[in-house]
Amino acid sequence: DIQMTQSPSSLSASVGDRVTITCRASQSINTYLNWYQQKIGKAPKVLIYAADGLQSEVPSRFSGSGSGTEFTLTISSLQPEDFATYYCQQTYSTPPTFGGGTKVEIK
Amino acid sequence: QVQLQESGPGLVKPSQTLSLTCTVSSGSIISADYSWSWIRQTAGKGLEWIGRIYSSGSATYNPSLKSRVTLSVDTSKNQFSLKLTSVTATDTAVYYCARDRPLGGATDYWGQGTLVTVSS
Repeated sequence: DIQMTQSPSSLSASVGDRVTITCRASQSINTYLNWYQQKIGKAPKVLIYAADGLQSEVPSRFSGSGSGTEFTLTISSLQPEDFATYYCQQTYSTPPTFGGGTKVEIK
Repeated sequence: QVQLQESGPGLVKPSQTLSLTCTVSSGSIISADYSWSWIRQTAGKGLEWIGRIYSSGSATYNPSLKSRVTLSVDTSKNQFSLKLTSVTATDTAVYYCARDRPLGGATDYWGQGTLVTVSS
Protein backbone atom coordinates (compact mmCIF):
# COMPACT_ATOMS: atom_id res chain seq x y z
CA ASP A 1 0.00 0.00 0.00
CA ILE A 2 1.10 3.58 -0.62
CA GLN A 3 1.70 5.39 2.66
CA MET A 4 0.52 8.99 2.97
CA THR A 5 2.20 11.17 5.57
CA GLN A 6 0.76 14.51 6.55
CA SER A 7 2.45 17.29 8.45
CA PRO A 8 1.89 18.81 10.81
CA SER A 9 -0.55 16.55 12.64
CA SER A 10 -2.06 19.63 14.24
CA LEU A 11 -1.64 23.38 14.14
CA SER A 12 -3.02 26.43 15.85
CA ALA A 13 -3.81 29.47 13.76
CA SER A 14 -5.77 32.69 13.89
CA VAL A 15 -8.52 33.92 11.64
CA GLY A 16 -6.91 35.54 8.62
CA ASP A 17 -3.74 33.45 8.77
CA ARG A 18 -2.31 31.66 5.77
CA VAL A 19 -2.15 27.93 6.48
CA THR A 20 -0.19 25.28 4.60
CA ILE A 21 -0.52 21.53 5.10
CA THR A 22 1.87 19.06 3.50
CA CYS A 23 1.21 15.51 2.32
CA ARG A 24 3.94 13.13 1.19
CA ALA A 25 3.43 9.84 -0.62
CA SER A 26 5.72 6.85 -0.16
CA GLN A 27 6.02 6.58 -3.96
CA SER A 28 5.06 8.71 -6.92
CA ILE A 29 1.33 9.11 -7.38
CA ASN A 30 1.42 11.58 -10.27
CA THR A 31 -1.44 13.97 -9.40
CA TYR A 32 -3.86 11.37 -8.03
CA LEU A 33 -4.20 13.31 -4.79
CA ASN A 34 -7.34 14.63 -3.15
CA TRP A 35 -7.91 16.78 -0.07
CA TYR A 36 -10.86 16.49 2.30
CA GLN A 37 -12.17 18.57 5.18
CA GLN A 38 -13.91 16.86 8.08
CA LYS A 39 -15.79 18.54 10.89
CA ILE A 40 -16.68 16.76 14.11
CA GLY A 41 -19.50 14.28 13.66
CA LYS A 42 -19.64 14.79 9.89
CA ALA A 43 -18.42 12.90 6.86
CA PRO A 44 -15.36 14.14 4.99
CA LYS A 45 -16.03 16.66 2.24
CA VAL A 46 -13.86 16.92 -0.86
CA LEU A 47 -12.11 20.27 -1.30
CA ILE A 48 -9.43 19.59 -3.90
CA TYR A 49 -9.26 16.79 -6.48
CA ALA A 50 -6.41 15.73 -8.77
CA ALA A 51 -3.93 17.76 -6.72
CA ASP A 52 -5.09 21.22 -7.80
CA GLY A 53 -8.70 21.03 -8.94
CA LEU A 54 -11.07 23.11 -6.81
CA GLN A 55 -14.28 21.23 -6.07
CA SER A 56 -17.47 23.04 -7.04
CA GLU A 57 -18.78 25.42 -4.37
CA VAL A 58 -15.55 25.28 -2.35
CA PRO A 59 -14.24 28.79 -1.57
CA SER A 60 -11.29 29.98 -3.62
CA ARG A 61 -9.18 30.54 -0.50
CA PHE A 62 -8.49 26.80 -0.70
CA SER A 63 -5.85 25.69 -3.17
CA GLY A 64 -3.77 22.61 -3.82
CA SER A 65 -0.48 21.98 -5.54
CA GLY A 66 2.13 19.34 -6.13
CA SER A 67 2.84 16.20 -8.09
CA GLY A 68 4.81 13.03 -7.67
CA THR A 69 5.34 12.57 -3.96
CA GLU A 70 4.87 15.99 -2.38
CA PHE A 71 1.66 17.98 -2.17
CA THR A 72 0.34 20.98 -0.29
CA LEU A 73 -3.05 22.31 0.70
CA THR A 74 -3.12 26.05 1.32
CA ILE A 75 -5.80 28.14 2.95
CA SER A 76 -4.98 31.71 2.00
CA SER A 77 -6.95 33.42 4.76
CA LEU A 78 -8.31 31.17 7.48
CA GLN A 79 -11.98 31.67 8.30
CA PRO A 80 -13.86 30.55 11.44
CA GLU A 81 -15.64 27.81 9.50
CA ASP A 82 -12.29 26.33 8.39
CA PHE A 83 -11.40 24.95 11.80
CA ALA A 84 -11.55 21.24 11.10
CA THR A 85 -9.40 18.22 10.30
CA TYR A 86 -7.93 17.89 6.82
CA TYR A 87 -6.98 14.64 5.08
CA CYS A 88 -5.13 13.85 1.91
CA GLN A 89 -5.94 10.72 -0.11
CA GLN A 90 -4.15 9.00 -2.96
CA THR A 91 -6.17 7.28 -5.65
CA TYR A 92 -3.21 6.28 -7.83
CA SER A 93 -3.35 2.66 -6.75
CA THR A 94 -5.64 0.26 -4.95
CA PRO A 95 -6.28 0.43 -2.08
CA PRO A 96 -6.76 4.19 -1.93
CA THR A 97 -5.09 5.40 1.25
CA PHE A 98 -5.48 8.46 3.44
CA GLY A 99 -3.07 10.56 5.41
CA GLY A 100 -3.35 10.65 9.17
CA GLY A 101 -4.99 14.06 9.20
CA THR A 102 -4.11 17.60 10.21
CA LYS A 103 -6.25 19.21 12.87
CA VAL A 104 -6.53 22.97 12.47
CA GLU A 105 -7.39 24.61 15.76
CA ILE A 106 -8.07 28.15 16.87
CA LYS A 107 -5.12 30.01 18.38
CA GLN B 1 -27.59 16.06 -5.78
CA VAL B 2 -26.87 12.46 -4.86
CA GLN B 3 -27.60 11.44 -1.28
CA LEU B 4 -26.43 8.30 0.50
CA GLN B 5 -27.71 6.80 3.73
CA GLU B 6 -26.25 3.90 5.67
CA SER B 7 -28.47 1.53 7.61
CA GLY B 8 -27.90 -1.55 9.73
CA PRO B 9 -27.30 -2.71 13.30
CA GLY B 10 -25.23 -0.47 15.53
CA LEU B 11 -24.08 -3.37 17.69
CA VAL B 12 -22.60 -6.65 16.50
CA LYS B 13 -21.26 -9.48 18.64
CA PRO B 14 -17.68 -10.70 18.21
CA SER B 15 -17.26 -13.45 15.59
CA GLN B 16 -20.57 -12.49 13.93
CA THR B 17 -21.16 -10.76 10.60
CA LEU B 18 -21.50 -7.00 10.23
CA SER B 19 -24.07 -6.10 7.57
CA LEU B 20 -24.76 -2.60 6.31
CA THR B 21 -26.78 -1.24 3.42
CA CYS B 22 -26.41 2.07 1.65
CA THR B 23 -29.43 3.58 -0.06
CA VAL B 24 -28.74 6.03 -2.87
CA SER B 25 -31.30 8.73 -3.58
CA SER B 26 -31.62 11.69 -5.96
CA GLY B 27 -29.64 9.75 -8.53
CA SER B 28 -29.30 6.31 -10.03
CA ILE B 29 -26.80 3.79 -8.79
CA ILE B 30 -26.57 2.48 -12.36
CA SER B 31 -23.49 3.93 -13.97
CA ALA B 32 -20.67 2.66 -16.11
CA ASP B 33 -18.35 5.28 -14.63
CA TYR B 34 -19.04 5.92 -10.96
CA SER B 35 -18.30 3.33 -8.31
CA TRP B 36 -19.69 2.93 -4.82
CA SER B 37 -17.42 2.52 -1.86
CA TRP B 38 -17.32 1.68 1.81
CA ILE B 39 -14.85 3.49 4.04
CA ARG B 40 -14.48 3.21 7.78
CA GLN B 41 -12.97 5.50 10.37
CA THR B 42 -11.51 4.79 13.76
CA ALA B 43 -9.59 7.00 16.16
CA GLY B 44 -6.68 4.59 16.02
CA LYS B 45 -6.34 3.79 12.31
CA GLY B 46 -7.98 6.83 10.79
CA LEU B 47 -9.76 6.49 7.45
CA GLU B 48 -9.57 3.03 5.89
CA TRP B 49 -10.94 2.12 2.46
CA ILE B 50 -12.81 -1.18 2.55
CA GLY B 51 -13.77 -1.70 -1.07
CA ARG B 52 -15.78 -0.50 -4.06
CA ILE B 53 -18.41 -1.94 -6.34
CA TYR B 54 -19.82 -0.95 -9.70
CA SER B 55 -23.47 -1.28 -10.61
CA SER B 56 -22.41 -4.20 -12.82
CA GLY B 57 -21.47 -6.06 -9.65
CA SER B 58 -17.74 -5.89 -10.23
CA ALA B 59 -16.01 -5.33 -6.87
CA THR B 60 -12.52 -4.57 -5.60
CA TYR B 61 -11.47 -5.04 -2.00
CA ASN B 62 -8.75 -3.83 0.32
CA PRO B 63 -6.31 -6.75 0.52
CA SER B 64 -6.15 -6.30 4.29
CA LEU B 65 -9.86 -7.16 4.58
CA LYS B 66 -10.47 -9.15 1.42
CA SER B 67 -10.88 -12.51 3.14
CA ARG B 68 -13.74 -11.18 5.27
CA VAL B 69 -15.53 -8.67 3.02
CA THR B 70 -18.26 -9.05 0.44
CA LEU B 71 -19.88 -6.15 -1.40
CA SER B 72 -23.09 -6.51 -3.37
CA VAL B 73 -25.41 -4.23 -5.30
CA ASP B 74 -29.17 -4.22 -5.85
CA THR B 75 -29.94 -1.88 -8.72
CA SER B 76 -33.69 -2.42 -8.38
CA LYS B 77 -33.56 -0.88 -4.92
CA ASN B 78 -30.77 1.61 -5.68
CA GLN B 79 -28.75 0.08 -2.87
CA PHE B 80 -25.38 -1.49 -2.24
CA SER B 81 -24.31 -3.49 0.76
CA LEU B 82 -21.36 -4.52 2.89
CA LYS B 83 -20.84 -7.78 4.76
CA LEU B 84 -17.85 -8.20 7.05
CA THR B 85 -17.47 -11.59 8.67
CA SER B 86 -15.78 -12.75 11.87
CA VAL B 87 -15.73 -9.30 13.42
CA THR B 88 -13.65 -8.37 16.43
CA ALA B 89 -13.43 -5.25 18.57
CA THR B 90 -10.96 -3.79 16.07
CA ASP B 91 -13.79 -3.58 13.54
CA THR B 92 -15.57 -1.06 15.74
CA ALA B 93 -15.73 2.08 13.62
CA VAL B 94 -17.87 4.65 11.89
CA TYR B 95 -18.74 3.15 8.52
CA TYR B 96 -19.37 5.42 5.53
CA CYS B 97 -20.78 4.61 2.14
CA ALA B 98 -19.73 6.91 -0.66
CA ARG B 99 -19.55 7.54 -4.40
CA ASP B 100 -16.26 7.63 -6.27
CA ARG B 101 -15.64 9.57 -9.45
CA PRO B 102 -14.22 7.53 -12.32
CA LEU B 103 -10.58 6.93 -13.22
CA GLY B 104 -9.08 7.38 -9.78
CA GLY B 105 -11.17 10.41 -9.01
CA ALA B 106 -12.16 11.77 -5.64
CA THR B 107 -14.91 10.48 -3.40
CA ASP B 108 -17.45 13.19 -3.98
CA TYR B 109 -20.56 12.13 -2.08
CA TRP B 110 -20.61 10.50 1.35
CA GLY B 111 -23.27 9.16 3.64
CA GLN B 112 -23.49 10.61 7.12
CA GLY B 113 -21.79 7.54 8.58
CA THR B 114 -23.00 4.95 11.04
CA LEU B 115 -21.23 3.79 14.19
CA VAL B 116 -20.92 0.04 14.49
CA THR B 117 -19.69 -1.30 17.80
CA VAL B 118 -18.44 -4.86 18.15
CA SER B 119 -19.10 -6.04 21.66
CA SER B 120 -20.68 -8.92 23.50
